[in-house]
Amino acid sequence: QQPVQSPQAVILREGEDAVINCSSSKALYSVHWYRQKHGEAPVFLMILLKGGEQKGHEKISASFNEKKQQSSLYLTASQLSYSGTYFCGTERDFGNEKLTFGTGTRLTIIP
Amino acid sequence: GAVVSQHPSWVICKSGTSVKIECRSLDFQATTMFWYRQFPKQSLMLMATSNEGSKATYEQGVEKDKFLINHASLTLSTLTVTSAHPEDSSFYICSARIGAGFAPLHFGNGTRLTVT
Repeated sequence: QQPVQSPQAVILREGEDAVINCSSSKALYSVHWYRQKHGEAPVFLMILLKGGEQKGHEKISASFNEKKQQSSLYLTASQLSYSGTYFCGTERDFGNEKLTFGTGTRLTIIP
Repeated sequence: GAVVSQHPSWVICKSGTSVKIECRSLDFQATTMFWYRQFPKQSLMLMATSNEGSKATYEQGVEKDKFLINHASLTLSTLTVTSAHPEDSSFYICSARIGAGFAPLHFGNGTRLTVT
């Protein structure tokens, strides 16, 4: 079953913060985050493994709460280049390999 | 970094014809590749998992006789859309991983298929 993301879309001014949530109805082993620009392939951002992991790089970070079967992506001091559609991808089993993508969140950053 | 090359980038074909899409891993070997389909403003939906040297594993609802997958080598997987119809028009993207689970997916640039 497809993970549900919220919000579906958000518009921010440059410099503002955003939080994107990903919620699954099934137990998860890991969560991936990707960003896709219009007409392009998705680009990998980060992976989080079960165990309550949090990680980040510069102004983009994420957390994973496997008990709640949820992950959140945090974008701070957003830049114009952050615009795009963000997808979480979930793995339910170790070694299963296939990734199920969430419903997506369209983020628009305006000057 | 890992590079996945997909060809063609776009194709327009007439209804009833077949179209082949190639996906190559350029700098690594991929025993498994994944084929996704994405309709406008929608998410990526996994169609099938392509396994080198064996039959592909199709997701529920995906017709294996319509979407033929061949993974003949460790660097090449092909998806053939047979007897294409306008409803098959979509963005098809292949992907692969280096190593086993927990590694990121590396995507090809996608193929925009338009069936007239």
